[in-house]
Amino acid sequence: GQNIDQPTEMTATEGAIVQINCTYQTSGFNGLFWYQQHAGEAPTFLSYNVLDGLEEKGRFSSFLSRSKGYSYLLLKELQMKDSASYLCAVRDRTGGSYIPTFGRGTSLIVHP
Amino acid sequence: DGGITQSPKYLFRKEGQNVTLSCEQNLNHDAMYWYRQDPGQGLRLIYYSQIVNDFQKGDIAEGYSVSREKKESFPLTVTSAQKNPTAFYLCASSMSNRESDTQYFGPGTRLTVL
Repeated sequence: GQNIDQPTEMTATEGAIVQINCTYQTSGFNGLFWYQQHAGEAPTFLSYNVLDGLEEKGRFSSFLSRSKGYSYLLLKELQMKDSASYLCAVRDRTGGSYIPTFGRGTSLIVHP
Repeated sequence: DGGITQSPKYLFRKEGQNVTLSCEQNLNHDAMYWYRQDPGQGLRLIYYSQIVNDFQKGDIAEGYSVSREKKESFPLTVTSAQKNPTAFYLCASSMSNRESDTQYFGPGTRLTVL
């Protein structure tokens, strides 16, 4: 299985930049997902990384280093609506199942 | 509109009763999943199905049962054997269970057992 670690909570100021880290240990890495989840709602897909490097999508970017077992989600120009939980999920191909395992999530609080 | 629906959004049951949570998708996805989410915990996999009439246990299947008689539907039954059933239940689907396929989630059902 995988061991996925993310900070429990982070706070940031509106308009600033925040980086949410995710580290993982897996024997058969096959991709990493980031999801956003507002309280009481469904997780929504943000990004997918399978190769090393940075993927940019508007205000959100995601970075992956497979050799370090490390990813981060970068949120720029923070808005109040970005206050949510951010879930890191790692896919492992061991055993032929490609179902992602989720970390506990990072609760981001954006304040004025 | 294409998507995943779960009903109801809130559900209350008495201890000892079985309860079935609905999950329907019209995305033509082959794979469907059930997760449980507790405060401070990540999503934990209960059951998944890669194709009609087939399903596999996830990490925490004890006390739960599922069926997959139709491609569009993957209902979850929380039985009286589940010791701590109060939780937020999320259903998801994906095109398949292969590489790069993204999971899409329903709005969730919050089950409270009194």
